[in-house]
Order: sequence, then C-alpha cells, then structure tokens
Amino acid sequence: DADVTQTPRNRITKTGKRIMLECSQTKGHDRMYWYRQDPGLGLRLIYYSFDVKDINKGEISDGYSVSRQAQAKFSLSLESAIPNQTALYFCATSDRGSGREETQYFGPGTRLLVL
Amino acid sequence: GQSLEQPSEVTAVEGAIVQINCTYQTSGFYGLSWYQQHDGGAPTFLSYNGLDGLEETGRFSSFLSRSDSYGYLLLQELQMKDSASYFCAVTTTGGGKLIFGQGTELSVKP
Repeated sequence: DADVTQTPRNRITKTGKRIMLECSQTKGHDRMYWYRQDPGLGLRLIYYSFDVKDINKGEISDGYSVSRQAQAKFSLSLESAIPNQTALYFCATSDRGSGREETQYFGPGTRLLVL
Repeated sequence: GQSLEQPSEVTAVEGAIVQINCTYQTSGFYGLSWYQQHDGGAPTFLSYNGLDGLEETGRFSSFLSRSDSYGYLLLQELQMKDSASYFCAVTTTGGGKLIFGQGTELSVKP
C-alpha cells in the first residue's frame, strides 16, 4: 500500500464550484504540504502544516484553503474554482524527528481541470 | 526573494555522464536537495547537500558550493530509465519547507 495517498486522482470541475482534494499518509510524519505543478514552473508551495494545530501559507495560497483534520490527513480546498487553477496537485510529507526534513515523500498527484 | 536557476532541457546518450547545474539566490540558505520526477508522477528524493562538497549515491552524485551559491547533480552511466525531470530545491534556515527550481528535463538517447 502507498504511504501517501491522494483522492481523487483526476477531477474535472466547472468554474465557481467548490472542490476538495484529500491527502492521507501512513508514514506517521508530522509535516504535510500541498504543491501545485504547472508545465515549466516546477513545484510551488500552496500551504504547509507542521502539526495539527499549525497551518502556514506558502507561495501561492490565494484561492485555496486547507484543513489538517488529523496528523495523517491534510485536505486542500478550492473555494470557487477558476480555470487558471487547472494543474497537477501534489501532497507531500516529511518527518522533523528524522533529522532529514528536506526529504519529502510525495503522493501520486491529482490532475485537476477547471472548465 | 528566493530564486533557483537550472537548465530547462539536457540531452545525453546512454552510458554517458551528464551534469545538471543549479544556482540559487536565497536568504538563510540551509541545504540543497535534488528530486527526480518521471512523466508527471510523484517526485522522489535523490540527494541532499548540507555541507560543501560531493555526496555520492550509486550512479548519482551531488555537489554543493555555498560560496558560489551553486550545486550540481551528476548522473553517470546513463540509462534510458534516467530520462525524467530533475529538480533542485533549497531548504532555508527555520527549515521544514522546500523551494523548488523549475526543473531540468533530461532525455537519454540510445
């Protein structure tokens, strides 16, 4: 079984709709992250969470919100989807206690198309 | 602000050696990581340099020079399966999050 899972894997939605992307992990890591990837732009950080009570904005948080429901679950919401939010979204985890915080483990990604 | 630069594309032949460079401008630099991504799949961790010098992991090596704000990933004995995108990423002091470069697409030809 995968350590970091994302649902759904693919999603098509319409402009103005609210959608939620979910991420779950079985690695026992305290830190979780949401990124978006656009062609030629690499991975850009949307939000990150260092524990259940700690949520931080990343580079491109406008139009997004998150919820850390438990240590193992971190959800990303698009309150009112717009076409330029069409992208590949990745969730990732890392373990502060490992001493290698720079090692992040990524989920398989969610392909989102906003029409 | 933070910025990283790496070439957008590199092409090499099977069995050869290729070097992917990364230069960065960042405040509070802590370390440089490298990630590999195949065809839009999950990025996977390759290597990390927290100190100047060379780190070797099998066919892959990574180098860092803090004074030059520069690092590279060296891939030896290239195989077709090494065709992928490679991202450098900076960790800043305070830790816990990565800033990624735009990625280098490596094509390995027979």
